[in-house]
Amino acid sequence: AQTVTQSQPEMSVQEAETVTLSCTYDTSESDYYLFWYKQPPSRQMILVIRQEAYKQQNATENRFSVNFQKAAKSFSLKISDSQLGDAAMYFCAYNQKRGGSEKLVFGKGTKLTVNP
Amino acid sequence: GAVVSQHPSWVICKSGTSVKIECRSLDFQATTMFWYRQFPKQSLMLMATSNEGSKATYEQGVEKDKFLINHASLTLSTLTVTSAHPEDSSFYICSAPNRLVPAGDTQYFGPGTRLTVL
Repeated sequence: AQTVTQSQPEMSVQEAETVTLSCTYDTSESDYYLFWYKQPPSRQMILVIRQEAYKQQNATENRFSVNFQKAAKSFSLKISDSQLGDAAMYFCAYNQKRGGSEKLVFGKGTKLTVNP
Repeated sequence: GAVVSQHPSWVICKSGTSVKIECRSLDFQATTMFWYRQFPKQSLMLMATSNEGSKATYEQGVEKDKFLINHASLTLSTLTVTSAHPEDSSFYICSAPNRLVPAGDTQYFGPGTRLTVL
């Protein structure tokens, strides 16, 4: 079964600084998708960034970028110029693409605190 | 866009009663929806996959007779917690992928429903 591991239960960063959240996953598949979701105190899950496994280029979305290392099964999230609004739980998720059947497997999450 | 709504956002019920939670895709059709459960300070745990026009697929350990799922239209899935007990108190979240956009595998989440069983 696929598993997703986030080894950092909590992280903190100073406003305007850069922080990297770690994620590793385990799978025997070659075609899949990876996501980072943000869950602020409102508990609404918000998509941060998406990566397709067959694409070697790392995905970027404004201040958010990933370091995708397929061979190492690593998918870290870098947040640049951190803002107070970035404070939230961040979940790494794996989505296997197989014949229309799919399910998201989540890591346990990393709580990010942004200090002013 | 891909907006998913849930209703109610918060419900309190007495032990032994049933509670229905609705999940709607507002601006797209969803043949598949997913139901998750999240305990405080924990991650999301998939409960079941809701399929329009057919039976839901439940994850191992989830009681299908307790958590009834109906997906009668392309925009609505419902989760009914039957004979609720205090241990069913949790945060329930639904999600749906918008298959008509290039990144059709991306799931969009509802705002969640907080269930408290007294």
